[in-house]
Amino acid sequence: KAGVTQTPRYLIKTRGQQVTLSCSPISGHRSVSWYQQTPGQGLQFLFEYFSETQRNKGNFPGRFSGRQFSNSRSEMNVSTLELGDSALYLCASSPSSGGSTDTQYFGPGTRLTVL
Amino acid sequence: GENVEQHPSTLSVQEGDSAVIKCTYSDSASNYFPWYKQELGKGPQLIIDIRSNVGEKKDQRIAVTLNKTAKHFSLHITETQPEDSAVYFCAASIQGGSYIPTFGRGTSLIVHP
Repeated sequence: KAGVTQTPRYLIKTRGQQVTLSCSPISGHRSVSWYQQTPGQGLQFLFEYFSETQRNKGNFPGRFSGRQFSNSRSEMNVSTLELGDSALYLCASSPSSGGSTDTQYFGPGTRLTVL
Repeated sequence: GENVEQHPSTLSVQEGDSAVIKCTYSDSASNYFPWYKQELGKGPQLIIDIRSNVGEKKDQRIAVTLNKTAKHFSLHITETQPEDSAVYFCAASIQGGSYIPTFGRGTSLIVHP
């Protein structure tokens, strides 16, 4: 079975721009979660989608948004980029409907650099 | 909310030694505790997990112990090998509920040949 895939793997943007990241979960997985990983804050939960609905949300500003499609693929968007948004953005999928606390399988991440 | 403390932040051992990483959590309602290994340039990979109805779980050279009363859990790696070098994260959450998982800050394990 193919693992979680994320595109693009690397991205460079400038302040004020917006960016869209994509995640394809493991086949059959219906829950997709997004995380931000930085050296200073560690791994922080952004949001979780299940059946095209946002089910959980972390403590991030409204500039961070996401969506899930009917095939469970997910995208996250960050508008009006700030220097502090530079991070590794990780996507994780779960096999069942038990919420973001079920066993999660992570993708390789998208490294976003904001200049 | 939940708070997870992880220690040490860096651990350096010789090949063949054992390594122990400890985490404490604050919310007694947490019942699911996974451990992840993250190698350079990759996403975290689940290596073992434990639920609150179990005190210990083993998988070859890896074991996890849980003390619900003290609210701490530990990762034990025996007979370490250079390929065990990575960053390890613990996490705590409530399985089956809409609860956001909280991660520890990570431990950088270095295994010297």
